[in-house]
Amino acid sequence: DIQMTQSPSSLSASVRDRVTITCRASQGISNYLAWYQQKPGKVPKLLIYAASTLQSGVPSRFSGSGSGTDFTLTISSLQPEDVATYYCQKYNSAPFTFGPGTKVDIK
Amino acid sequence: EVRLVESGGGLVQPGGSLRLSCAASGFSFSNYNMNWVRQAPGKGLEWLSYLSISSSSVYYADSVKGRFTISRDNAKNSLYLHMNSLRDEDTAVYYCARDPDSSGYYRRLDYWGQGTLVTVSS
Repeated sequence: DIQMTQSPSSLSASVRDRVTITCRASQGISNYLAWYQQKPGKVPKLLIYAASTLQSGVPSRFSGSGSGTDFTLTISSLQPEDVATYYCQKYNSAPFTFGPGTKVDIK
Repeated sequence: EVRLVESGGGLVQPGGSLRLSCAASGFSFSNYNMNWVRQAPGKGLEWLSYLSISSSSVYYADSVKGRFTISRDNAKNSLYLHMNSLRDEDTAVYYCARDPDSSGYYRRLDYWGQGTLVTVSS
């Protein structure tokens, strides 16, 4: 099975900083990748699918890119409400594995 | 308003069984693929199972294959997860989630329930 990794596992950044999270697949998955945000104590929320398509209602400061094995989620200007754990998920074929998550907080 | 409401969680002994339900409302349930995802306390998300609209395609994570069975009743707008041979490591919050894609190219989990807690312990 294809393994998903994320880096860093956690990060601390200042408000208005540009934040980049990386997700890597052990084999190519084309652009079959989604990103989710899970705030503390809350249900996961879809941010991006097909690697770069922004889900309706998600702020435009979130963007995704990549294809094949390497993907990035970028928050162009970090806001206090973005404190959360971010997960990538592959869906080219089952199992639809999630990455281990990246925890983002405010410095 | 799209709503997914899980139920059926609780305390069960190792080796026991449980059936989780997910009641859907606010959308045409029979037109959507569905998934189960779980999250152990303090841990990350773990995808468990997928079931297509007509139940013709079903997938499982290796960790639950042979022990868990996903099913749906479109007439009742409900998704189920039958869990057998439960282990301590199955302790988690279990979420059902909707996948609006029918092509396979744009899969995503766009709505999630609030989750139901399953605790496996003697």
